[in-house]
Amino acid sequence: GENVEQHPSTLSVQEGDSAVIKCTYSDSASNYFPWYKQELGKGPQLIIDIRSNVGEKKDQRIAVTLNKTAKHFSLHITETQPEDSAVYFCAASIKAAGNKLTFGGGTRVLVKP
Amino acid sequence: NAGVMQNPRHLVRRRGQEARLRCSPMKGHSHVYWYRQLPEEGLKFMVYLQKENIIDESGMPKERFSAEFPKEGPSILRIQQVVRGDSAAYFCASSPLQGANEKLFFGSGTQLSVL
Repeated sequence: GENVEQHPSTLSVQEGDSAVIKCTYSDSASNYFPWYKQELGKGPQLIIDIRSNVGEKKDQRIAVTLNKTAKHFSLHITETQPEDSAVYFCAASIKAAGNKLTFGGGTRVLVKP
Repeated sequence: NAGVMQNPRHLVRRRGQEARLRCSPMKGHSHVYWYRQLPEEGLKFMVYLQKENIIDESGMPKERFSAEFPKEGPSILRIQQVVRGDSAAYFCASSPLQGANEKLFFGSGTQLSVL
């Protein structure tokens, strides 16, 4: 089955700096890659996603890149703010297989003011 | 348009009791997924259901755990004879899974504590 590895497990950045989280996946058939943000005591919230026919997607301060050949994808947060502090999860799925998401282990991001 | 609703938010059970977790998907969503999250860990897939059908239960323990999504009413995750190792946060997600829309939306979860 699919295996998703996520790095780093913790990331501390100064407010205003950029944060980058990287994930690799094992199943070349995976074609959908969402990113979720989870705040303490809450459920994961979808923040951005990308499909395998696209190499990059941007939404304001958040961008995701996908390298299908290398089977890795990354989340970039620019101009970080304290409210960006949370745990971020990457995931991968195969839509034809019911879109069952396989999650990475998570990255705890701390933005220091 | 209400989001995915889970209840209860917190559930305390003694060893050997039964736990029932409920999930109402977003309006118009007919696909439900259950995930389990242990402290400081990622979410692990348990089961995927459509109305009245279990599609994929490969992540669910073979014993004591069951799930249903009836024609009417919420999806139910049932854990019989709970043990301390069942203590975790259980999240439900729903998806329309129609056409190009494959997004999964999660509820706020049920925190199960087994004493």
